[in-house]
Amino acid sequence: DTEVTQTPKHLVMGMTNKKSLKCEQHMGHRAMYWYKQKAKKPPELMFVYSYEKLSINESVPSRFSPECPNSSLLNLHLHALQPEDSALYLCASSPGAGGNNEQFFGPGTRLTVL
Amino acid sequence: GESVGLHLPTLSVQEGDNSIINCAYSNSASDYFIWYKQESGKGPQFIIDIRSNMDKRQGQRVTVLLNKTVKHLSLQIAATQPGDSAVYFCAEKGRGSNYQLIWGAGTKLIIKP
Repeated sequence: DTEVTQTPKHLVMGMTNKKSLKCEQHMGHRAMYWYKQKAKKPPELMFVYSYEKLSINESVPSRFSPECPNSSLLNLHLHALQPEDSALYLCASSPGAGGNNEQFFGPGTRLTVL
Repeated sequence: GESVGLHLPTLSVQEGDNSIINCAYSNSASDYFIWYKQESGKGPQFIIDIRSNMDKRQGQRVTVLLNKTVKHLSLQIAATQPGDSAVYFCAEKGRGSNYQLIWGAGTKLIIKP
């Protein structure tokens, strides 16, 4: 299995809703990432988990809460989002620290906040 | 600040011709560079990478060239096909950074029939 999967593909939520995005990989990678991507822009790093521990938080607002239940799964919990949070949310994984550590991306979740 | 930029936001190429997508970077300490292809509605797809101790690397129909003297990276696609239509991003990883990539702005490649 050489892919990163994400669910759901699309999500529409109100500003008072609580929802979660899910990401899974079975490549044995030990680093997993959440990115946010706005239209016609490159991905922006949000969080990095390394060996199931939060390694990087790029000053993301607390309405986004990541969780790494095990080495294959990564969640992003969403609460009280704003319309400007509408974007494509990408999950990625990489082998881990050291070496080239190339990142493999999932297809993304298209999030719309009303 | 440090950045990776692209010279052309949009590139139109005749089908069958070769495409060259350029990227300038400012961090001379970066030791690893990647090209990603992102088709509409999809996540970025790894195309090819190169380490700073190399000048050139070839894949299937793609070649990446690295010129450290002028801090320039290019992606060459041979015999461009309709399926090559996408946005192409270059990204760099700084020496000592395990996870963070610095991304270019992206170039949209349009294939003319």
